[in-house]
Formats: sequence, C-alpha cells, structure tokens
Amino acid sequence: GAVVSQHPSRVICKSGTSVKIECRSLDFQATTMFWYRQFPKQSLMLMATSNEGSKATYEQGVEKDKFLINHASLTLSTLTVTSAHPEDSSFYICSARGLEGQPQHFGDGTRLSIL
Amino acid sequence: AQSVTQPDIHITVSEGASLELRCNYSYGATPYLFWYVQSPGQGLQLLLKYFSGDTLVQGIKGFEAEFKRSQSSFNLRKPSVHWSDAAEYFCAVGPGYSSASKIIFGSGTRLSIRP
Repeated sequence: GAVVSQHPSRVICKSGTSVKIECRSLDFQATTMFWYRQFPKQSLMLMATSNEGSKATYEQGVEKDKFLINHASLTLSTLTVTSAHPEDSSFYICSARGLEGQPQHFGDGTRLSIL
Repeated sequence: AQSVTQPDIHITVSEGASLELRCNYSYGATPYLFWYVQSPGQGLQLLLKYFSGDTLVQGIKGFEAEFKRSQSSFNLRKPSVHWSDAAEYFCAVGPGYSSASKIIFGSGTRLSIRP
C-alpha cells in the first residue's frame, strides 16, 4: 500500500529555534500534501494544503510566516516552524494524496516539544 | 455546514465482543466517507472508505462500515474485537471529485479493550 514517511518522529528544541519537518511519499507521486496539527486528545486540524510547484493554501487562523510549507517535488513536502515557542508544541501530521478523489495517506506524525 | 459527529468519546468492550462506532455527518453534496485508526503517538491508517456503490464497505483488519444516506450515518463495525484494536478511531468526510479536497475529521472515539 501507499507509504508516507515523516521525519523526524520527535524533536525537542529551545524556544526561538526553527524546526523543519519532512514528509515524503515513498511509492507514489503526491500531487497534493496536507499538514495537520493535533492537540492532545483532540482531532486533526488542517493547517494547510500544498500542491506540487505552487504556494500552499493556509487555513484561516494559521500564520503562513510562522509555518512555512514547501512542496518542491512530487514526493517531498516540508513544514518549517519558524522561531518556535512553547505554544507551538504539538503533534504535526502530514498526509499525501495522488490524484483527485484518492484517499489521503498519512505519515506517522512528528511530536514537537519546545522548551 | 459540513461536519462530522462521533457521539462516543470513549468506548470499552471486552475482547471477542462485537463493536460499533457511530458516525454522523452533515454534508451538502454526495460525501466521500472514511474511517481512520490512530495508535498512540502515530499517524493515521485508513481502515476503509466509501465513494459509491455497495453501501456496506469492507475494510482492513476485519472492519466494515455501512453508509445510510437516510440517517446520514457511516457506522464502523467489527464482529469480534482483538486487544490490538485498542486505538483512536476517526470518521472523516470529504468532497468528491472537486478541487477542494479537504477532509473534515470527527473528534474521534477512543476504544479500550477489556481482557
């Protein structure tokens, strides 16, 4: 089945640093990738949608300058949390989809902890 | 408004017992419906999906779900649960073939298995 790899799985860093999370589709071409944020015991909240080669579309309330998304190829999207602060600590999950209408396949998530 | 409701926050069943997780949706068009499972600290795995056709959908790990348009429901069932089924389950709804491929997730149902 379709596999999406997300790296790193866990990161702990100091406040003020920037953190990059990678999302790769290993066995299919992902025309669209999605980035979600999940708070403890809550559902997934969509942050942004990115299509290969174009700018990401951010959901309302998500700071695009804070959460930089790059989708430079059909197999890789990155999320960079810039100048991270403790309130950015969360579980970030990416998903990837091939063609329109196909289901999304999810990565295993990244646990981000900002001290 | 588009929404997904999972009325049960937490369910505990005995190993070997049958399971039904409820999901109701509100959607303006013909929905695409999904059930995902999330183990602790991990991403989401697709259990099954409904796009069209037979309203009883078979998925992985022995799960099935039935789409009932009249009740706006897509309940997940399993005849006999195993201890490894303990996880968080998310129902989700998305558009069909359209450019807006956002998936809306329910709040999730945590399943615990009693030995």
